[in-house]
Formats: sequence, C-alpha cells, structure tokens
Amino acid sequence: SQKIEQNSEALNIQEGKTATLTCNYTNYSPAYLQWYRQDPGRGPVFLLLIRENEKEKRKERLKVTFDTTLKQSLFHITASQPADSATYLCARANSGYSTLTFGKGTMLLVSP
Amino acid sequence: GAVVSQHPSRVICKSGTSVKIECRSLDFQATTMFWYRQFPKQSLMLMATSNEGSKATYEQGVEKDKFLINHASLTLSTLTVTSAHPEDSSFYICSAISGQLQETQYFGPGTRLLVL
Repeated sequence: SQKIEQNSEALNIQEGKTATLTCNYTNYSPAYLQWYRQDPGRGPVFLLLIRENEKEKRKERLKVTFDTTLKQSLFHITASQPADSATYLCARANSGYSTLTFGKGTMLLVSP
Repeated sequence: GAVVSQHPSRVICKSGTSVKIECRSLDFQATTMFWYRQFPKQSLMLMATSNEGSKATYEQGVEKDKFLINHASLTLSTLTVTSAHPEDSSFYICSAISGQLQETQYFGPGTRLLVL
C-alpha cells in the first residue's frame, strides 16, 4: 500500500529560525505531493503543491522540495513566527484526478 | 475564492439517532466532493468520493448504508450518519475540487460529532 510518513514528534524551534519538516513516501513516486496546514479543530488549508518532475517550489517564506531518489519531500518555513505554529500535513496523489493519501502530520511549535 | 463551508460545526446527539452534515462550496462549482474522518492525532481518512448527480464511491471498510452521501447539486453535498453510535464520534471534514483545478482540494472547517 502507498503510505505517507511524517515525524510524529512535535518540532520545537525559536522564532526567526528555519523550520524543516519531513515527509517520506513508500512505493512508487506520486504524481505530486501537497502540503497543508491544520490548526486545532479546523480543516486543512492548502499551502503548496510540488510535482514529481519539480525539484523545488517556493511561496513567500515557504519552500518545498521533492527528492524521488530518497522518496522524500522537505517543507521549510524560513524566518518562522509564533503564528506558524500548527500541524502540517503532507499528502500524495497519483494523478490530477486521484484521491489524496495523508500523513498524520507534524506539529510545529514556534516559541517567541 | 475557493471557500468551503460546513454545517453544523459541532453536534451532540444521542446514540441511535441520525445526524446530517452539510458541505457547501460557496464561490465555485464543485464537480467532486470528498468526505474524510479524523480521529485525534491521526491522519485524515478518506471515507468516500462524491460526484454531482451520481452515487458516491466509498472506501474499503466504510459502510455505505451507515454513511449516506448525497451530492444533489454542484455546490452541496450531505453526509448523514445513520443510527449513530459513540464510536462514530469524530471530526468529519469535507473537501471540494473545482472542474478547472483538479489537483487542489479545498477543505471545509470540519464538523465535530459527539455521540452520547
């Protein structure tokens, strides 16, 4: 089965530092990976999508990489702020019309 | 743009009753809507995929007679939990995709269901 694995331990960092979250997938490479932010008691909010043939994608302070050799995506938040504290979910899809498989998410805590 | 709403946001019901949850796309037409369930500290688990005007496709292990899904229009899908039991207590989230951008799912705020 296709799985998405994210570090279940919370990541604690200080404000201003770069947060790096890891997402590993099993089996064959998905067509694309997506990253979402989820706050407690809320639905996920879409952040970034990166396709299999893309190595890196950026959006403001966010950066996502896709390494098909390591079967891994890294999600970076530069100049982190306490408001970035949330759970970040990684999801894979095998095509533009297929369903998403989500990881459990990694909680990020940014302290002032 | 791409806003999805859910109603109600929270519901408490007695065991054996049925609960209906609505999912609406407010500013776009959703060709497909998805229903997920999320238990504490767990990932979103897809329950079913619903396309407007056709029967929903349920994931393995999800009882279609217990979780009734209706997608009667391009902006509304409903999930009815029939004869709810305490083990059905969970966070139910819907998402929608528009016809033009199939890759991104826009999620609703979720519905917290507590069955006593």
